[in-house]
Amino acid sequence: GQQVMQIPQYQHVQEGEDFTTYCNSSTTLSNIQWYKQRPGGHPVFLIQLVKSGEVKKQKRLTFQFGEAKKNSSLHITATQTTDVGTYFCAGQVANFGNEKLTFGTGTRLTIIP
Amino acid sequence: SQTIHQWPATLVQPVGSPLSLECTVEGTSNPNLYWYRQAAGRGLQLLFYSVGIGQISSEVPQNLSASRPQDRQFILSSKKLLLSDSGFYLCAWSVRFPTWETQYFGPGTRLLVL
Repeated sequence: GQQVMQIPQYQHVQEGEDFTTYCNSSTTLSNIQWYKQRPGGHPVFLIQLVKSGEVKKQKRLTFQFGEAKKNSSLHITATQTTDVGTYFCAGQVANFGNEKLTFGTGTRLTIIP
Repeated sequence: SQTIHQWPATLVQPVGSPLSLECTVEGTSNPNLYWYRQAAGRGLQLLFYSVGIGQISSEVPQNLSASRPQDRQFILSSKKLLLSDSGFYLCAWSVRFPTWETQYFGPGTRLLVL
């Protein structure tokens, strides 16, 4: 079955440093989504990428979808304490009538003040 | 606007007791509904999903079951809880666009089986 892996599993950064998490799929994706889960909270949708090579930005967050549509990355510039949480990618394979999302393993980000 | 409710927020149950968790969605019709479980510090494990009333697909074998008695109601049940059933249970809904779907999660239920 489809697998979506994320690295690293954990990341500790000093406040103000940059952070990147990488997502890799075993199959070509029709789209990829990113979610953030704050400690004690539930996952919240951040963004969706659909096109090969697509790059989207949300303030200090930059999301990228690979050319082969099998990998993606999330980069946070100048981290802040509000960035703490676990970031999940979720990929969808175009399979008409069965387009379930497969969530990645997640990257837990902690910030050292 | 759409909202999703889950209750209870926290539950402590003895081993062997039954379970019933409820999820309801407001503000949308014919949603896809999902039950996930998240062990402490771990990722999301899809348990069940439903594309319509009475239509349930199970992703992993277990002693849990799901039902969808109404369009916007999704119930997770167990006849006898195991210690390994402890975790954070999340309900989610989505509306299917042409070829993709975004999932919106409820606040979750933290279940501790003792």
